[in-house]
Order: sequence, then structure tokens, then C-alpha cells
Amino acid sequence: ELKVEQNPLFLSMQEGKNYTIYCNYSTTSDRLYWYRQDPGKSLESLFVLLSNGAVKQEGRLMASLDTKARLSTLHITAAVHDLSATYFCAVRNNAGNMLTFGGGTRLMVKP
Amino acid sequence: EPEVTQTPSHQVTQMGQEVILRCVPISNHLYFYWYRQILGQKVEFLVSFYNNEISEKSEIFDDQFSVERPDGSNFTLKIRSTKLEDSAMYFCASREQAGYGYTFGSGTRLTVV
Repeated sequence: ELKVEQNPLFLSMQEGKNYTIYCNYSTTSDRLYWYRQDPGKSLESLFVLLSNGAVKQEGRLMASLDTKARLSTLHITAAVHDLSATYFCAVRNNAGNMLTFGGGTRLMVKP
Repeated sequence: EPEVTQTPSHQVTQMGQEVILRCVPISNHLYFYWYRQILGQKVEFLVSFYNNEISEKSEIFDDQFSVERPDGSNFTLKIRSTKLEDSAMYFCASREQAGYGYTFGSGTRLTVV
């Protein structure tokens, strides 16, 4: 059974600081996704990572994937208040086509 | 940009009643999904649907749940006899056959009282 774990579950940081969210998964997978969710809202797709060593960047967010370590990271550079949200990683199960989500990281960026 | 549309946005129902949650996936997408998220918790897979049949389902998707694509555009989730623990946000998602991305709808908040 595929398990996906994120840490930390909660992150409070000051504007301008850098930090990394980690996503570990338990079995081989070929696709990893990062989503952003604002309170009461839907899941907004941020990144799709398809291969070992993949790195994608959008604004202050950068995601990477190490399939050998079964680890993805979401790095936040010089955080701003607008990045406050919950971030989920999700892994596609190679045995099927559904996504298994991590528990989410609630990010709060303080001015 | 194409969207997955869900209705209603919020539904309140009495315990034991049947509810139908509706979704209109993106028109050229072929894979359809329902997920749920209990307040403050992670997103959980319920069921996937392809070629007019269920392709995968989770342990949560028991006999109380069913899905249907009645007319080629709508994709529905029915809960036959709702329980208090069915209260959650339900998300529909769809995916192109060859595409990598899953597009999620805005969700239906179901409250069972």
C-alpha cells in the first residue's frame, strides 16, 4: 500500500525567510504532484514531477524529485504573505491511476 | 482555461437521506475521480471511473456509494443513506487519457445533520 508522508505538518515563518517542505513516499511511482489549497477552496495544481532529478520552479516555489530516495521537496524562497496556504504532495500509484495524498503542510507566513 | 464544475457548492442533509453530488468534467477528459476531504484532514481517494465503469475504488467507497455518468457530460456521486461521518468536502477530478495533470473541481461541502 502506498503511503505518503509530509513534514512539517505546520509551518509558521517570517516573510523573507526560506524553508523546505518534505514529501516521502513508500513505493515506486513515476509521478509526483504538488497542490496548493486555500481555506475552503479547491486544489490548485502547482507542479508535476515526472522523472528522477526533475526540478521545476514557479516564482518563489521550487519542487524537486528524487525517485531513488522516494523524496520530493518544495522549497520556498523569500516567503511572502500570499504564499500562506496548505500545500499537499500527491503520488500516483503505479498499480493504478489514482493519487495518494500526503497529510498536507499548513504554511503561515507572517509579515 | 477549462474547468471541472461541481454542484451544489454546499449541501445540508438529514442523516439517512440520499444525496447526489454532480460534476461536469472537462469535455475531452476520459478519466474521472471522486475524492473527499474531512475538515482539516488529508484528501482521500474514493473512486475512479473510465470507459463507463469503475476502474478502482477505495475501502471508503462501500455499498452506500455509487457513481454514474448518465449522459456523457455529467458524472455523479450518490450516497444512499448518509451518515454523520460522511460530512466532508467532496472533490471531483478529471484527466485526459494521455495527460499528466488531474484537474480538480471547486468541491461540494456536504454537511450531514
